[in-house]
Amino acid sequence: DVKVTQSSRYLVKRTGEKVFLECVQDMDHENMFWYRQDPGLGLRLIYFSYDVKMKEKGDIPEGYSVSREKKERFSLILESASTNQTSMYLCASSLRGQTSNQPQHFGDGTRLSIL
Amino acid sequence: AQKITQTQPGMFVQEKEAVTLDCTYDTSDPSYGLFWYKQPSSGEMIFLIYQGSYDQQNATEGRYSLNFQKARKSANLVISASQLGDSAMYFCAMREINTGTASKLTFGTGTRLQVTL
Repeated sequence: DVKVTQSSRYLVKRTGEKVFLECVQDMDHENMFWYRQDPGLGLRLIYFSYDVKMKEKGDIPEGYSVSREKKERFSLILESASTNQTSMYLCASSLRGQTSNQPQHFGDGTRLSIL
Repeated sequence: AQKITQTQPGMFVQEKEAVTLDCTYDTSDPSYGLFWYKQPSSGEMIFLIYQGSYDQQNATEGRYSLNFQKARKSANLVISASQLGDSAMYFCAMREINTGTASKLTFGTGTRLQVTL
């Protein structure tokens, strides 16, 4: 079974702090994704990566950056946390390729509160 | 325009009854895939079922089936014989193969299903 592990289930930080959310997958997937989930808005893509050191902006990249130094690990960075970044953050991974039926596999999520 | 629309914020169903969760989508790409995910209160996203745009048959996985109406651009999830453990948020998502990055999914806003006794 694919395992996507997010480093924290719950995290509380202060405004202005630099925050790191870590995600590790164990299935050698090329693609990795970071989403945030807010009530009534569904999941919105922040950034994704299709290879080591490669990244692309998603729909809401402002205030975030990412790092992918190793294939299995994808980090989301809040450069200077703000209260409007309080949210549920979900990491996912998938196989690369044009086959459309490959699902994304998700971690358990990190509930981040910025005070 | 919304690419994925789920118009039911919340639904109730009695145990052992069937329920349909609606999903409509908007794309000009002839090649796409549609996914349904379940999110229990614990937070993890569980992949349920997939339907490809060229699939001739409606997808089925156990108690889950997909009512795919291509001309109407709808991909409704049908859960038969509901169980208390089906209470969760359900998300519809789409992947467009030829436009943009093939691996991206666009999600709807979700439907919260409550199964009652």
